[in-house]
Amino acid sequence: DTAVSQTPKYLVTQMGNDKSIKCEQNLGHDTMYWYKQDSKKFLKIMFSYNNKELIINETVPNRFSPKSPDKAHLNLHINSLELGDSAVYFCASSQVPTGAKNFGAGTRLSVL
Amino acid sequence: KQEVTQIPAALSVPEGENLVLNCSFTDSAIYNLQWFRQDPGKGLTSLLLIQSSQREQTSGRLNASLDKSSGRSTLYIAASQPGDSATYLCAVPAGNSGGSNYKLTFGKGTLLTVNP
Repeated sequence: DTAVSQTPKYLVTQMGNDKSIKCEQNLGHDTMYWYKQDSKKFLKIMFSYNNKELIINETVPNRFSPKSPDKAHLNLHINSLELGDSAVYFCASSQVPTGAKNFGAGTRLSVL
Repeated sequence: KQEVTQIPAALSVPEGENLVLNCSFTDSAIYNLQWFRQDPGKGLTSLLLIQSSQREQTSGRLNASLDKSSGRSTLYIAASQPGDSATYLCAVPAGNSGGSNYKLTFGKGTLLTVNP
């Protein structure tokens, strides 16, 4: 039973397109996150949500728009994709902000 | 600004050896520290979470220690196996004020290879 699930697992698209990545957690956690892992494998926070409210936007371009329809879901929509957006995007959740983080398997985005 | 450093960047050992991975962080005002494992092309698996009030945590062949005052943590792996081969990441909250505890700061990881 997957705790944090992301879809799709792989996403290949052309520059300029708009795409979405979905994330769902079945752990009953209140806090969800998006992280980006670049080509050098460095993981960095993008967004944090608590009870459907945006808490952290780590200077992410406004082409990236997260949406949390309920506590169990945090989707990421990306407009006008650029080559530099190619990366692996990880969704995560925790019961509380200071709690242990559970990560999804990642979505590998390739922008051509 | 919290910074996390992991040493070594890569480590190759023969099967059966005990080994230690190191993690240091610059801001010692942390709630906890979490160790993860990442297999190639896969997500992150949480291994151990140490609260700031704890000095160590154990899970099977893994033992993680935390010295908050000196900004250091170690991950000890006993009797290593080829299946332990992965990248090991440590992460701490970016701070403990405002929204900082919502953000994990990661090290760049240690790539461990255990040779049969």
